[in-house]
Amino acid sequence: AQRVTQPEKLLSVFKGAPVELKCNYSYSGSPELFWYVQYSRQRLQLLLRHISRESIKGFTADLNKGETSFHLKKPFAQEEDSAMYYCALSGTDKLIFGTGTRLQVFP
Amino acid sequence: EAEVAQSPRYKITEKSQAVAFWCDPISGHATLYWYRQILGQGPELLVQFQDESVVDDSQLPKDRFSAERLKGVDSTLKIQPAELGDSAMYLCASSFMVENTEAFFGQGTRLTVV
Repeated sequence: AQRVTQPEKLLSVFKGAPVELKCNYSYSGSPELFWYVQYSRQRLQLLLRHISRESIKGFTADLNKGETSFHLKKPFAQEEDSAMYYCALSGTDKLIFGTGTRLQVFP
Repeated sequence: EAEVAQSPRYKITEKSQAVAFWCDPISGHATLYWYRQILGQGPELLVQFQDESVVDDSQLPKDRFSAERLKGVDSTLKIQPAELGDSAMYLCASSFMVENTEAFFGQGTRLTVV
């Protein structure tokens, strides 16, 4: 069965501090992993996907198949990064989401 | 820029009444998803369409929920009868296909059952 786990409901940091939002998954095949973000009063939107291996808004995420993880990282958090972040997994036939982590970046 | 459209934005209904939500995906997107998001939780997949066919509805409470996408374009999600526990945000999303492509979300319909 497909499953996505985000262990932290809330992560609070000060501006300029490093950020790591954790995501672990369970899937028997080769998954496609994504990070989606929802800023206040905006739609849920794609932040990045593992196959593109790119940095978006300073965020990166590396798929670790051995640890079945896809943690989201940013070396220096900004106040505008405050939002809900959802890890998502696409298997062969459906797209499922984790429970989300709220990132709060204080000035 | 093309967007997924949902209506209504807000709906208040009484327990045991019927309620329906509508979604118009981005043109050309074959895959359409309906998610339910309870406050403080992540989106839970209710039903997924590939064109007009249901490819997954394993989490859809079929005794009261139904979904259709008759012409493979827009879609309707219905609840009859509504229960207090159905109060949630209902999100529609679409993608060009399932694998490796971005899902675009609508703004959602917030349902309150009283």
